Amino acid sequence: SYVLTQPPSVSVAPGQTARITCGGHNIGSKSVHWYQQKPGQAPVLVVYDDSARPSGTPERFSGSNSGNTATLTISRVEAGDEADYYCHVWDSSSDHPGVFGGGTKLTV
Amino acid sequence: QVQLVQSGPEEKKPGSSVTVTCKASGGAFSTYAISWVRQAPGQGLEWMGMIISSLNVASYAKKFRGRLTITADKSTGTAYMRLSSLKSEDTAMYYCARDVEGYCSGGSCNSGPLDIWGQGTMVTVSS
Repeated sequence: SYVLTQPPSVSVAPGQTARITCGGHNIGSKSVHWYQQKPGQAPVLVVYDDSARPSGTPERFSGSNSGNTATLTISRVEAGDEADYYCHVWDSSSDHPGVFGGGTKLTV
Repeated sequence: QVQLVQSGPEEKKPGSSVTVTCKASGGAFSTYAISWVRQAPGQGLEWMGMIISSLNVASYAKKFRGRLTITADKSTGTAYMRLSSLKSEDTAMYYCARDVEGYCSGGSCNSGPLDIWGQGTMVTVSS
């Protein structure tokens, strides 16, 4: 089955830029979605289809996807951005088509 | 605005079954798919399966086939997730989530982003 690899943790100072990667074989050919999950809460969609933002997601959140790596970029990081972030794709050829990355803990 | 409200926490014995409900309010239930995702304590997210409400067609991750049944009742806007032969490893928070792009055609399914999530239902399996 398809595998998505994320770094377990990323640490950044307030006001700086955080980049969270999601690696997968030829992931650039798939649509990647990103979720933010704070402790005790359900996940929230923050970026979809590689780089689109749902209404309500700050413009500081952006995404890109090419080759074997997708990236979630958070500019001007704030304390409230501290959370777990998960990437997500659909691999229709797999017997487990809905795939999440292992998650990245962002520490501010 | 669509909201998904899930049933309350469950405590089950190994070998038994559990059914979690997910009721939608504020939108046309039959126009989108519902996915089920679980999260074991301290672990990441795991996709389990989905149902295309308008067709009542479900797709399951191979890992859960034979134990997982997802259904939907369009008249009440409710989706159901039943997991049988429970083991301690099934202890997790179970989420339903809306997928407006999800569809199945010709035996193949596709899914998009999960834009609205239920609050989660904790299922504990213990003897």
